[in-house]
Amino acid sequence: DQQVKQNSPSLSVQEGRISILNCDYTNSMFDYFLWYKKYPAEGPTFLISISSIKDKNEDGRFTVFLNKSAKHLSLHIVPSQPGDSAVYFCAASGAPGQDSGAGSYQLTFGKGTKLSVIP
Amino acid sequence: DSGVTQTPKHLITATGQRVTLRCSPRSGDLSVYWYQQSLDQGLQFLIQYYNGEERAKGNILERFSAQQFPDLHSELNLSSLELGDSALYFCASNRAGGSTGELFFGEGSRLTVL
Repeated sequence: DQQVKQNSPSLSVQEGRISILNCDYTNSMFDYFLWYKKYPAEGPTFLISISSIKDKNEDGRFTVFLNKSAKHLSLHIVPSQPGDSAVYFCAASGAPGQDSGAGSYQLTFGKGTKLSVIP
Repeated sequence: DSGVTQTPKHLITATGQRVTLRCSPRSGDLSVYWYQQSLDQGLQFLIQYYNGEERAKGNILERFSAQQFPDLHSELNLSSLELGDSALYFCASNRAGGSTGELFFGEGSRLTVL
């Protein structure tokens, strides 16, 4: 049972255009959502997050939108750059510390979307 | 560089064998998490330790075990290995009660079981 779904395994976008990566979740207890970026031969690195009390969070070229009623979130990258080419993972959890005690933060990850930005 | 160190980076072994993966968390981080990424799969949460004690368990097989030592480094032990255990194993750490929920991942240990 996949609680976090990224239905597009891959996405190709021209440099300078917008990249939109989508993520759906099924667990209504999820309260906090994150995007991680992963380059080959490296570990995932945190990109941006959003809590359920917001519907949008922006950080430079990266914006995450959350539609709680639809259980859907998306990551927008504008403008896309070749260096953005990587695998993007969507992740979700309950509110920090509520999963199983202080210091606990279990993230449920999607399978990832491979973004290719074409120069 | 996330500050999380994992060794070895690559490991090739045979079915039925046992291996140990090692993780040193970022300085000051008390929580260590282990994740498994199999081919075409997302990261599957295995287990979490907090300040030396097991805090949460995910989809970890009984053949697998982990521990966190007083110096906060952690080891993941995989025994009676099967072909399907071939995967990337990531360790991550964060500070206790981190408000952002951000995990810092190591580069992973790639295990190949032949």
